[in-house]
Amino acid sequence: ETGVTQTPRHLVMGMTNKKSLKCEQHLGHNAMYWYKQSAKKPLELMFVYSLEERVENNSVPSRFSPECPNSSHLFLHLHTLQPEDSALYLCASSQGGAASEQFFGPGTRLTVL
Amino acid sequence: KQEVTQIPAALSVPEGENLVLNCSFTDSAIYNLQWFRQDPGKGLTSLLLIQSSQREQTSGRLNASLDKSSGRSTLYIAASQPGDSATYLCAPSPYSGYSTLTFGKGTMLLVSP
Repeated sequence: ETGVTQTPRHLVMGMTNKKSLKCEQHLGHNAMYWYKQSAKKPLELMFVYSLEERVENNSVPSRFSPECPNSSHLFLHLHTLQPEDSALYLCASSQGGAASEQFFGPGTRLTVL
Repeated sequence: KQEVTQIPAALSVPEGENLVLNCSFTDSAIYNLQWFRQDPGKGLTSLLLIQSSQREQTSGRLNASLDKSSGRSTLYIAASQPGDSATYLCAPSPYSGYSTLTFGKGTMLLVSP
């Protein structure tokens, strides 16, 4: 596999479920990101990890919990979600900080019933 | 807080036309700006990254220009093809911190045969 992969590609969950989204990058990058894309809204940055440390958290509700066990993997743990959390969740990676090009995965389409 | 506006929101052209997509941003203190394309329900594909010190960047039929002082970037697509149909997003990156991109809502392009 090359680039940035995400699993699952589609997920339907109830408000009381707990699920996790997975992202893996095969580019040797040291920074990873979670973005949320809702209908009719711009992409919103949720979390940034650099060298497995969280460096930015854009006031995301605690029902979203990120985990970065190593520089190649990033998870987003979901619990007690709301229907308005239904969106396309995109993962990206880059090498380094400012001036680094970001590469995106295909996304996970999440529907919360 | 950086705000990004893309005009037009949607564009429909016949195949073969040259076209210009516009992006404006409110905070000119940027390190670089990336242009992406997004196919429906899919992730983002990086098209061009233009550094703040550059005026232009070219890749094939695509040419991006940047006027940092006026907070504007344009993406020029030459000889458009139906395969160019997608949503085009621009995203400036700030000087400080990690490559945290701010996205516009995009321009949805339809190129008809």
